Amino acid sequence: GAVVSQHPSWVICKSGTSVKIECRSLDFQATTMFWYRQFPKQSLMLMATSNEGSKATYEQGVEKDKFLINHASLTLSTLTVTSAHPEDSSFYICSAVDRGFKAFFGQGTRLTVV
Amino acid sequence: RKEVEQDPGPFNVPEGATVAFNCTYSNSASQSFFWYRQDCRKEPKLLMSVYSSGNEDGRFTAQLNRASQYISLLIRDSKLSDSATYLCVVNGGSASKIIFGSGTRLSIRP
Repeated sequence: GAVVSQHPSWVICKSGTSVKIECRSLDFQATTMFWYRQFPKQSLMLMATSNEGSKATYEQGVEKDKFLINHASLTLSTLTVTSAHPEDSSFYICSAVDRGFKAFFGQGTRLTVV
Repeated sequence: RKEVEQDPGPFNVPEGATVAFNCTYSNSASQSFFWYRQDCRKEPKLLMSVYSSGNEDGRFTAQLNRASQYISLLIRDSKLSDSATYLCVVNGGSASKIIFGSGTRLSIRP
């Protein structure tokens, strides 16, 4: 099956710093990628839809200036958590969609802000 | 009404039992349907696609009912390893219109 690579798989950072998470589709081109956040024992929450070559579409309540998304190529989308705070600690997952509209997920990034 | 709804569970069933859960969707124009499985602290993984004619893969059977706008997942002879959260996914016909259900938690007990 298709492979989506996300890294880092985990990161610990100090409050106030920024963290960049990369999501790559390794064997297919993805015009659309999605970024999710998941808190313990809760369901996936869609944060934003990333479209190659255009601005991301953010879900209600997600601050676009805090969660910067760049989808510079058909195989790479990045999420930067700017000025991270402890409440941003979560499991961040990306997914990329193939031509058959199947979504494949990255391995996730566990972010801990201390 | 949510675009895609699932019973959150948890479903707690004994090993060997048959369990089924549904997922309803509101957009009658939806075209693609999938079931994903998510283990604790892991990313969701595609379990199976759901075709109009139904789809069976070993102990797992997925069905689509367009008239009533729901998809179902049936697990026969459940194993302890089937314990996970099962997410249904509905696509409205483009890459940007993928909607995930909130998941149904399944726990298989010995």
